[in-house]
Amino acid sequence: EVQLLESGGDLAQPGGSLRLSCAASGFTFSSYAMNWVRQAPGKGLEWVSTITSSGDRTYYADSVKGRFTMSRDNSKGTLYLQLSRLRAEDTAVYYCAQYRGSSTRTSDYWGQGTLVTVSS
Amino acid sequence: QMTQSPSSVSGSVGDRVTITCRASEDIGNWLVWYQQKPGKAPVVLIYGATTLQGGVPSRFSGSGSGRDFILSINSLQPEDIATYYCQRVNDFPVTFGGGTKVEIK
Repeated sequence: EVQLLESGGDLAQPGGSLRLSCAASGFTFSSYAMNWVRQAPGKGLEWVSTITSSGDRTYYADSVKGRFTMSRDNSKGTLYLQLSRLRAEDTAVYYCAQYRGSSTRTSDYWGQGTLVTVSS
Repeated sequence: QMTQSPSSVSGSVGDRVTITCRASEDIGNWLVWYQQKPGKAPVVLIYGATTLQGGVPSRFSGSGSGRDFILSINSLQPEDIATYYCQRVNDFPVTFGGGTKVEIK
């Protein structure tokens, strides 16, 4: 059974930093690209970033480019999102999702999400 | 940029409901539809604009290509109450539409 478990969400101050993690199991982690998608309270889905299966390429939404860094450790089956220079508008539930980038380009499996709140 | 309409729609059980998604450029058939129920992660309904994901009821269907796409729910059921999102996946950024909330009258 595919499982994705996010952690690291917390209350952070504007301008601060956080690191989110996503522990993957039940599939060959190193074979899949991965996504981070966020959802502000009561709002819609917003794609944040994607990383290739090997980790050699990353893609970011303009809203986070230069502030967030996505990475992965295939030996540990874990995905990361480093959030820096946080803003109030970064407050959201952050989901990690498996991405079938080479075929259907769908996110078939998602975690339960981790809440990031940016407030002073 | 992906523009969804309407932002909300209400129908009776058994009604046909349609949701439209318009891309700002030609994206071919690189479009995915998701369903999200409150407090839950999204679920894939349709990919490639028209292909039903395995396990999804056949009352859901997708059509369109290029810039204009439609998600149809034939015979609306109580369990279809959710918010529906389109997503362009032809290239990065893989932008979501704003969402359409489906309710029962």
